[in-house]
Amino acid sequence: ILNVEQSPQSLHVQEGDSTNFTCSFPSSNFYALHWYRWETAKSPEALFVMTLNGDEKKKGRISATLNTKEGYSYLYIKGSQPEDSATYLCALYNGGATNKLIFGTGTLLAVQP
Amino acid sequence: GAGVSQSPRYKVAKRGQDVALRCDPISGHVSLFWYQQALGQGPEFLTYFQNEAQLDKSGLPSDRFFAERPEGSVSTLKIQRTQQEDSAVYLCASSQEGIANYGYTFGSGTRLTVV
Repeated sequence: ILNVEQSPQSLHVQEGDSTNFTCSFPSSNFYALHWYRWETAKSPEALFVMTLNGDEKKKGRISATLNTKEGYSYLYIKGSQPEDSATYLCALYNGGATNKLIFGTGTLLAVQP
Repeated sequence: GAGVSQSPRYKVAKRGQDVALRCDPISGHVSLFWYQQALGQGPEFLTYFQNEAQLDKSGLPSDRFFAERPEGSVSTLKIQRTQQEDSAVYLCASSQEGIANYGYTFGSGTRLTVV
């Protein structure tokens, strides 16, 4: 059974703080790593899809890195704002005909104004 | 439509009742997925359709769960004789082919509470 783990489980930061979370996954049969942001009462929103070892992607104040050899990805948020409050999910795609993603349990971020 | 639409947003069912959850994916998206998210857990795969063909139903937890996509667009997830452990958020997502390069587009989910 493939296990995707995220840490920490939850995080409380002050507005303006920078923060980061970790996603760990088995490094064998790696195809892609996805990051999603899920705000309460909304749909999960795709942030990044990363496929290559050493990939770095950026979207505004949010960025992510990928290390497929050691099986981890970091998500960074610079200068957190209250609107960044959400659950951040990572998900592994390890190939296969059904395109299914294996999700971690998420990191719940709360940004206090 | 512009996004993935799910209905109802909330459903309260008495134990033993049958429920049907609807998903309307993005027009033209070939792939459609159902996921179940229990409290405190990440979304877990239930089933996958490519057009009208159900290619993987390995995640359906029991034979009380049934999904269909008869015309390759709208999909329905049916749960018969609901149990309390079925309480969860049910997410539908659609995608273009080649998921390695494209993320899913999710609906807002249906929160099912079985009492």
